[in-house]
Amino acid sequence: DQQVKQNSPSLSVQEGRISILNCDYTNSMFDYFLWYKKYPAEGPTFLISISSIKDKNEDGRFTVFLNKSAKHLSLHIVPSQPGDSAVYFCAAKGLGAGSYQLTFGKGTKLSVIP
Amino acid sequence: DAGITQSPRHKVTETGTPVTLRCHQTENHRYMYWYRQDPGHGLRLIHYSYGVKDTDKGEVSDGYSVSRSKTEDFLLTLESATSSQTSVYFCAIFPGTGTIYFGEGSWLTVV
Repeated sequence: DQQVKQNSPSLSVQEGRISILNCDYTNSMFDYFLWYKKYPAEGPTFLISISSIKDKNEDGRFTVFLNKSAKHLSLHIVPSQPGDSAVYFCAAKGLGAGSYQLTFGKGTKLSVIP
Repeated sequence: DAGITQSPRHKVTETGTPVTLRCHQTENHRYMYWYRQDPGHGLRLIHYSYGVKDTDKGEVSDGYSVSRSKTEDFLLTLESATSSQTSVYFCAIFPGTGTIYFGEGSWLTVV
C-alpha cells in the first residue's frame, strides 16, 4: 500500500519555464511534508517543506503547495534552470509513532532542457 | 554538511558473503536510519534506531540486521548477500527539526 505517490516518473521542461512536480498521499495522519532533490551519485538533499497547517511555503524559486482536502501537494520551480535537473522525492511525516520516520514517494526525474 | 560518513562508499561482493556497511555521525543525534534506493521504488526504510541498542524494523528489513553500540555508529549487516540486495544504501539522521539528512550513499553490488 503506497502511502505517498508520485505518479509521474519523469518530466521535461524548457529552461526558464515553470516545473510542476506532483505528489499525492493517502494517510490523513501525515502532518509534515518535504521535498528532496537527488543528483546522481549523491545523497538526497532537503529542498523545502510544509506543515499541514499551511497551504503554501516559498523559498526563492521553489514553492510548495498543499491541498489537504485533496491530499495533494505540488512543488513549483520558477524559473527552471538546467541545474535543477535531478530526481525529486516527495516525503511525508506522520504523528505519534510515525513522527520520526519519513515515507517517500518513488521520485520524479526532472530534466530541464537548455 | 550533516556530519554523516558512510563506509565503504563502493563495494562488490559475492552472493552468500556477509557485508557490513557503517554509518558514522559526528553530532550525537538520537535517531539514525538506513534506506535503500532502487529504480522504480524510491527510498525505502530498512531499519532505524532511536538510541544505543534501540532499533526497529522498517518497510524492507528482511535479510538485514543492524546494530548500534555507540551513539555515533549505526551498522547495517547483510548476513548472506543476495543479488536482490544490489542497491544504493543511504544512512540518515534526524536532528529533531522535522527534516532528516542523508549521507552520500554506499553503492553495493552483489555478483
